[in-house]
Amino acid sequence: LAKTTQPISMDSYEGQEVNITCSHNNIATNDYITWYQQFPSQGPRFIIQGYKTKVTNEVASLFIPADRKSSTLSLPRVSLSDTAVYYCLVGVPGTYKYIFGTGTRLKVLA
Amino acid sequence: DVKVTQSSRYLVKRTGEKVFLECVQDMDHENMFWYRQDPGLGLRLIYFSYDVKMKEKGDIPEGYSVSREKKERFSLILESASTNQTSMYLCASSLSRVIAQPQHFGDGTRLSIL
Repeated sequence: LAKTTQPISMDSYEGQEVNITCSHNNIATNDYITWYQQFPSQGPRFIIQGYKTKVTNEVASLFIPADRKSSTLSLPRVSLSDTAVYYCLVGVPGTYKYIFGTGTRLKVLA
Repeated sequence: DVKVTQSSRYLVKRTGEKVFLECVQDMDHENMFWYRQDPGLGLRLIYFSYDVKMKEKGDIPEGYSVSREKKERFSLILESASTNQTSMYLCASSLSRVIAQPQHFGDGTRLSIL
């Protein structure tokens, strides 16, 4: 199973772009990269998923370099409500074959 | 939108009791999962199921069992509750093992064993 490494915590200010990088050196050919967001007292919520290059949706962008050994979640113009824990997962979605780590605790300041 | 509903948000039980946690999803998903979440340890997979009456052990199955009699419902059972099973329990579902679809989570059950 591919292990991921991401920063434990980050602080940002409202209106700034936030980039959270995740390292996954042992990613396998069939693995996807998936990011989740979790607010206190709620279950994780899917943000974005990708396999290679760049993926963008209405919430975030995901940048994946050619070697796929890392990925960067980009949150444009964060607000206070983006304060949450962000998890990077690597594996085959829909199976049990991926691991939630301890995530990155993002705090957005006014 | 997919909805995963866990029967209780908060539950308090006593040591030695048999505890049932229920989870229902409304999108005909094949896969269902039970996790527990503890501070500093992230989410850990207890059991999962990819079909009715099928189950697979996750990383920490000891002290737990599961039941999936219907596709939409996945139950977690603590056979004889102990204080070290006090935790947040999260249920999730996903469409299929074949298709690369993400998991959808319920809002969790915070279980306290006294």
